[in-house]
Amino acid sequence: QKEVEQNSGPLSVPEGAIASLNCTYSDRGSQSFFWYRQYSGKSPELIMSIYSNGDKEDGRFTAQLNKASQYVSLLIRDSQPSDSATYLCAVNSAGNQFYFGTGTSLTVIP
Amino acid sequence: SAVISQKPSRDICQRGTSLTIQCQVDSQVTMMFWYRQQPGQSLTLIATANQGSEATYESGFVIDKFPISRPNLTFSTLTVSNMSPEDSSIYLCSVDRQETDTRYFGPGTRLTVL
Repeated sequence: QKEVEQNSGPLSVPEGAIASLNCTYSDRGSQSFFWYRQYSGKSPELIMSIYSNGDKEDGRFTAQLNKASQYVSLLIRDSQPSDSATYLCAVNSAGNQFYFGTGTSLTVIP
Repeated sequence: SAVISQKPSRDICQRGTSLTIQCQVDSQVTMMFWYRQQPGQSLTLIATANQGSEATYESGFVIDKFPISRPNLTFSTLTVSNMSPEDSSIYLCSVDRQETDTRYFGPGTRLTVL
């Protein structure tokens, strides 16, 4: 079982819709959770971090964490073509090891 | 966030040669990390570089192939030795910000081996 699992997609949504990206992790002791955005040919860029159960909102982005279910999600509201990218879920485990998912490719269709 | 620069940003190299990638951070950090991202793949940690000690390599990566230097708390180099086309990847330098427990990435070095 991989430490962090994501649906690789591709995920396509129309412009203005909500994009929902999901991630599960295996280490119950994990404390820190992150979402990175990676445009083609570029390096990963941190867009959200979350540490507590519940929702965390930042502009059009909302991260959701459910530690009991070992589940992290990212919602992108009012999706724009500029949101088209690969989104990487990352988890900092109890042993201070960073694990990355394989990424979900998102395409926002104008 | 962290300001991280890498040189070169890209290079095309011949099989059998070596390339050294430099990473500079805007402030002192204890650990620096080197990742590889092969085309269409996620991030793979190559090694962790601590200042003043030998780098710690992940399974599948060895010092002879990927020697690392860490001369001070703001700088590191990764050398890709005796390159083959399978080494064609993006190589990323990364650091943690302890106060936010967050990992940041440099802009990457895109390597193509012919």
